Amino acid sequence: QEHLVESGGGAVQPGRSLRLSCRASGFVFSDFGMHWVRQAPGKGLEWVAGIWYEDGSNKYHADSVKGRFSISRENSKNTLYLQMNSLRTEDTAIYYCVRFHHEYFDWWGQGTLVTVSS
Amino acid sequence: SYVLTQPPSVSVAPGKTASITCGGDSIGRKIVHWYQQRPGQAPVMVMYFDRDRPSGIPERFSGSNSGDTATLTITRVEAGDEADYYCQVWDSSSDHHVFGTGTKVTVL
Repeated sequence: QEHLVESGGGAVQPGRSLRLSCRASGFVFSDFGMHWVRQAPGKGLEWVAGIWYEDGSNKYHADSVKGRFSISRENSKNTLYLQMNSLRTEDTAIYYCVRFHHEYFDWWGQGTLVTVSS
Repeated sequence: SYVLTQPPSVSVAPGKTASITCGGDSIGRKIVHWYQQRPGQAPVMVMYFDRDRPSGIPERFSGSNSGDTATLTITRVEAGDEADYYCQVWDSSSDHHVFGTGTKVTVL
């Protein structure tokens, strides 16, 4: 059974940094692209960033986080990361780690909450 | 950037049919996927490649996509179908994945 477990969320002040992790199990992690999708309180889903399945050299980010957030992966540890710098209050959200299969998001973690507030 | 518009809410009586639309410029030329999010839970995919159902999703769920509108249809609606539903596409012009605004389905 596939499993995605996010960690690293918490409360942080504006301008600070945070790194999210996502540990995968139950499937061959290196065979799949991986993404982060977030959901602000009471709002809809927003795609954040994605990384290809191989060595992770191909990655892309939403305009709202480009230059501040960086996605990466460590296939030897079955782990996906999201480095978040220069955090803003509007980055407050649940961050979901999501597996990418062909062209869709087929498996979602339970999410980790990031709260940016002074 | 590409925009997907959904009605904020759809109400339906048990046993009836719910249709959830997803509007976008020439969306019929794109591939649409749908996700269900029950309260307090992570999203779950319920439809992919416009009209394909993942294993475990009832046949009551179906999808279509043409012109400027994609549609997720739920027949014989049950109380357990009450959730938020999101459409999603890949926008090749921006290299971004785009989600619809979301529709809350309420079972009366």
